[in-house]
Amino acid sequence: GENVEQHPSTLSVQEGDSAVIKCTYSDSASNYFPWYKQELGKRPQLIIDIRSNVGEKKDQRIAVTLNKTAKHFSLHITETQPEDSAVYFCAASKGVTGNTPLVFGKGTRLSVIA
Amino acid sequence: DADVTQTPRNRITKTGKRIMLECSQTKGHDRMYWYRQDPGLGLRLIYYSFDVKDINKGEISDGYSVSRQAQAKFSLSLESAIPNQTALYFCATSDFRTTRTGAYNEQFFGPGTRLTVL
Repeated sequence: GENVEQHPSTLSVQEGDSAVIKCTYSDSASNYFPWYKQELGKRPQLIIDIRSNVGEKKDQRIAVTLNKTAKHFSLHITETQPEDSAVYFCAASKGVTGNTPLVFGKGTRLSVIA
Repeated sequence: DADVTQTPRNRITKTGKRIMLECSQTKGHDRMYWYRQDPGLGLRLIYYSFDVKDINKGEISDGYSVSRQAQAKFSLSLESAIPNQTALYFCATSDFRTTRTGAYNEQFFGPGTRLTVL
């Protein structure tokens, strides 16, 4: 089955700097890659996703890139702010068929230092 | 607003007790999931259900069972709780849709149930 590795497990950045979180996946048939953000004491929520027919997607200060050949995808946060501090999870699934649930990475705890 | 709710929100129990965690949703989604979250281990799938008559084991189903009573309700049971089942449990729902650019399967999580087994 699918295996998703996520790095780093913790990340500290200064406010205003960029943050990058990387994930690799094992199943070449996976084609849907969402990112979830979990603030302290809250539930995970989707912040951005990408499908395998797209190499990059942006939404304001966040972007996700996908390299299907290398089987890795990354989350980029620019101009970080204290409210970006949270745990971020990447995930993968065979979304086109919809018959497999998401497999999550172990998470990255991002701390933005003011 | 349509939502996913979980009861109880917190539970402390003793080893060997039977525990049921309940999940309800008003989103009208067919798909429901149970995850457990442990520090440093991320979200691990316990069971999932794509419709009322469908139940599937996830990555870590041993020691757990589920019941899908209706489209809106999905319960998780621990038949005989043990201390290493102490964790934060999340229910989630999703609605599979196919769009022009591909499938869409966003998961919506409940607020979580913090379970402690002594």
